[in-house]
Amino acid sequence: NAGVTQTPKFRILKIGQSMTLQCTQDMNHNYMYWYRQDPGMGLKLIYYSVGAGITDKGEVPNGYNVSRSTTEDFPLRLELAAPSQTSVYFCASRPYSHEQFFGPGTRLTVL
Amino acid sequence: EDKVVQSPLSLVVHEGDTVTLNCSYEVTNFRSLLWYKQEKKAPTFLFMLTSSGIEKKSGRLSSILDKKELFSILNITATQTGDSAIYLCAVTQRQNAGGTSYGKLTFGQGTILTVHP
Repeated sequence: NAGVTQTPKFRILKIGQSMTLQCTQDMNHNYMYWYRQDPGMGLKLIYYSVGAGITDKGEVPNGYNVSRSTTEDFPLRLELAAPSQTSVYFCASRPYSHEQFFGPGTRLTVL
Repeated sequence: EDKVVQSPLSLVVHEGDTVTLNCSYEVTNFRSLLWYKQEKKAPTFLFMLTSSGIEKKSGRLSSILDKKELFSILNITATQTGDSAIYLCAVTQRQNAGGTSYGKLTFGQGTILTVHP
């Protein structure tokens, strides 16, 4: 199993550009999550999904959108990128009642 | 508002020292507390605690939860340079009918541990 994979690993965006961060898991987990981690801080939840077709907002959803058309994929969309979205983004998944497994992260810089 | 607070924020020790990291929480419908280690990439799971007073142990690391006082500690004995990392504490909440607590983790800000040779 590859576990949780994320692409790209790094990206630089200009203000106002859009992009999609990809996340795929091959463990057949129903629950998937997107977090962002700013320097010196813990992780903050952006969006989560409890299964295909079901998503909900976390603590910091503004400026982001998600979709969950399959169990495996949970892409995060940034529309009109802003410098405040410069961060490291982690995707995670978990089976019911177990700990979350994290992907390697995407480091995004918005200039 | 749900809150997880870790202390200290940073800690510098020498190899062989013993360290204690603290995590306190205030959340509704508490379910479990998790400890993660983060070394410049993705957090990796250390422990999950659900019951008070039961110590979880893995090698030189151990952790315990106090649900009455709403805190947990992570102990690392005989520290090594490889223990240098950010240690994250996170709390999960029980699912509710409103659909707002589906296993999401609320993280503390982390403790940066540096172990010098």
